[in-house]
Amino acid sequence: NAGVTQTPKFRILKIGQSMTLQCTQDMNHNYMYWYRQDPGMGLKLIYYSVGAGITDKGEVPNGYNVSRSTTEDFPLRLELAAPSQTSVYFCASSSGQGGGEQPQHFGDGTRLSIL
Amino acid sequence: GESVGLHLPTLSVQEGDNSIINCAYSNSASDYFIWYKQESGKGPQFIIDIRSNMDKRQGQRVTVLLNKTVKHLSLQIAATQPGDSAVYFCAEKGSSGTYKYIFGTGTRLKVLA
Repeated sequence: NAGVTQTPKFRILKIGQSMTLQCTQDMNHNYMYWYRQDPGMGLKLIYYSVGAGITDKGEVPNGYNVSRSTTEDFPLRLELAAPSQTSVYFCASSSGQGGGEQPQHFGDGTRLSIL
Repeated sequence: GESVGLHLPTLSVQEGDNSIINCAYSNSASDYFIWYKQESGKGPQFIIDIRSNMDKRQGQRVTVLLNKTVKHLSLQIAATQPGDSAVYFCAEKGSSGTYKYIFGTGTRLKVLA
């Protein structure tokens, strides 16, 4: 049972480059989330989705874009990488049952450095 | 990941002792709370959750206590083991109708042999 799978695990980008962080889940969860985790800080929500075709901004969406064409996949796009986007990125999913009161399942993260 | 937790508070506990990790949450309307464990280089792992209509919930070796009066959450780990060494953080969900969570910064638990 794979759960939430993120690729790549590590990446170094130059300023201004673009890339897509991949996230896929095999639990048939409706809700998916992207977070960034900076040293000494709690997880910050970038974007989330409550189902295929539906996405919405979180706390820190600037510089990122997402799409949700299928239930399984929720890629995160960085168009013009900036040093402030150096972080660890986590994708998560949850079933959405019980009015959202279900724990989120996390991937193991993508460690991204912008130089 | 490796760089997470550089400036986190640390709790050092002797192996076999009980651990208590605390969390103050921000929103009095939050109605659902989760404790996560995060090991180095890994994603957060669900430990236990509690809804706002409860003040205590027990799992295997773990207990979560909720004090809504002072907006405080605690995680108790019984008979702490070396494998419990990790960063622990709480998450709160806002009032009904939101799917967004607020995450705490975390506490690093070190288990001493």
